[in-house]
Amino acid sequence: GENVEQHPSTLSVQEGDSAVIKCTYSDSASNYFPWYKQELGKRPQLIIDIRSNVGEKKDQRIAVTLNKTAKHFSLHITETQPEDSAVYFCAAGGQGSARQLTFGSGTQLTVLP
Amino acid sequence: ETGVTQSPTHLIKTRGQQVTLRCSSQSGHNTVSWYQQALGQGPQFIFQYYREEENGRGNFPPRFSGLQFPNYSSELNVNALELDDSALYLCASSLARRYEQYFGPGTRLTVT
Repeated sequence: GENVEQHPSTLSVQEGDSAVIKCTYSDSASNYFPWYKQELGKRPQLIIDIRSNVGEKKDQRIAVTLNKTAKHFSLHITETQPEDSAVYFCAAGGQGSARQLTFGSGTQLTVLP
Repeated sequence: ETGVTQSPTHLIKTRGQQVTLRCSSQSGHNTVSWYQQALGQGPQFIFQYYREEENGRGNFPPRFSGLQFPNYSSELNVNALELDDSALYLCASSLARRYEQYFGPGTRLTVT
C-alpha cells in the first residue's frame, strides 16, 4: 500500500518568512496530492491540492510543487502570518474507486510574531 | 450549502462495549469516507461508502463496520472496543469521481 513520509515534524519561522514542508510517497499510481491544515481541536481543512499531471499550483501565499519522478511534493507558504500556525498534513491517493487518502504524520508550524 | 457534521462531539466508553458514530455529508455529496486519527498522527483511512455500499476499506478489522443511508448520511460502528480505539474519528464527504474530500469536526472517542 501507499506510504507517505512528511518532514519536518515541527517548524518554527518568524512572521513574514517562508515555510516549506516536504513529503515523499511510495506508490507511483497515486495521482492526487492534497494538503490539509488542522488547527487545535478543529477539522482538517483542505487548503490546496495538485494532480499528477501538474508540476506546480499556486493560491495566493501558498503553493505546492510535485516531482513525480522523485515521488515527492512540497508545500510552500510565503509571507507567513501568526494565523498560519497549525498542523499541516500532506496526503497521497486517488487510486481506485475509493480514491482513499494516505496521510503523512503532520508538521506543527509555529509562526513567531 | 451546509458542511459536514458529526455527532456526538465526545464519547467515553468502556473496553468491550460497542459504539455508533454519525455523519451527515456536505449538501450534494454522495460519498462518505471514515478516518481514524490517533493523537499526534495523521488520519488513517477506515472505509468509504458510496450508494449505500462499502466502496473500499483500509487496514481495519471487521469489528469496524458502517452504513450509508439514502440521504447519504453514514454511521460508523465499532464493536468490542479496545483501549487503542481511543482516537478522533473523522468523516469526509465528497462527490463520486471527484478527488476532493471535506472533513467534519470529528468525534473524540475515549475508551477506558
